[in-house]
Amino acid sequence: DAGVIQSPRHEVTEMGQEVTLRCKPISGHNSLFWYRQTMMRGLELLIYFNNNVPIDDSGMPEDRFSAKMPNASFSTLKIQPSEPRDSAVYFCASSFNRDQPQHFGDGTRLSIL
Amino acid sequence: TQLLEQSPQFLSIQEGENLTVYCNSSSVFSSLQWYRQEPGEGPVLLVTVVTGGEVKKLKRLTFQFGDARKDSSLHITAAQPGDTGLYLCAGGRPGTYKYIFGTGTRLKVLA
Repeated sequence: DAGVIQSPRHEVTEMGQEVTLRCKPISGHNSLFWYRQTMMRGLELLIYFNNNVPIDDSGMPEDRFSAKMPNASFSTLKIQPSEPRDSAVYFCASSFNRDQPQHFGDGTRLSIL
Repeated sequence: TQLLEQSPQFLSIQEGENLTVYCNSSSVFSSLQWYRQEPGEGPVLLVTVVTGGEVKKLKRLTFQFGDARKDSSLHITAAQPGDTGLYLCAGGRPGTYKYIFGTGTRLKVLA
C-alpha cells in the first residue's frame, strides 16, 4: 500500500519567493496533519484537517503560512513570501481518524536562501 | 515551550550494548508514543502506552510509562546497527488529539 506521499522532496529557493508543498494522504484516512521539524524546536504541529476541514491552525507561525485541503486526497502548505527562518523539514501525516496512529510522509526539505 | 525533554541528546555505543533513553516532563499526558526516524524519512510509530506504569515490549525494545504519566523510558537490549536513528517521544495532551514531540535522542550503534 502506498504511504503518505509528499512533493517535492527538496526545495531550494530565494527569500521572498512563494513555496508550495504538496501532500497525498493514505486513501481512507480522514485526518491530515502538517508538521515542521528543526534542530532547535523539534517536531511542531502546524495545522490539522478533519474530513478536509481545517480544525486547528494554532500552530501556523504567521500569516505568511496557509494550508488547504480541496479534497480527501490532496493538501497543500503554502508560504508566501518565504524567509530564511522558514528553512526546515516539513512533514505531512495522515490517520484513519484523529485518535488513530499517524503515518508520516518522508518530508520536504526546504531551504530558503 | 518545550514540554518534553529527552536525554541523552546523542548516544554512540557498540553493537551488543544495552541502553536507556529517557523522556521527561512536568506535565501529565493521556498517552505517550515512541517513534524512530531514519535520515531522509518520516518518523515511524513504535509503540503507544496509555496507562501509568504500563510496560510494553517490542522484541529487544522495552517501553515504560511512568506511574504519574509524566515520563517514559525506552530500553534497548543488545543494540544492533539497525537500531541507529532518531528516537522521538510524543505526549498526548489530555482531552485533545494533539501530541507534543520531544527533541529526540540520536542513537548510533557501531558494528
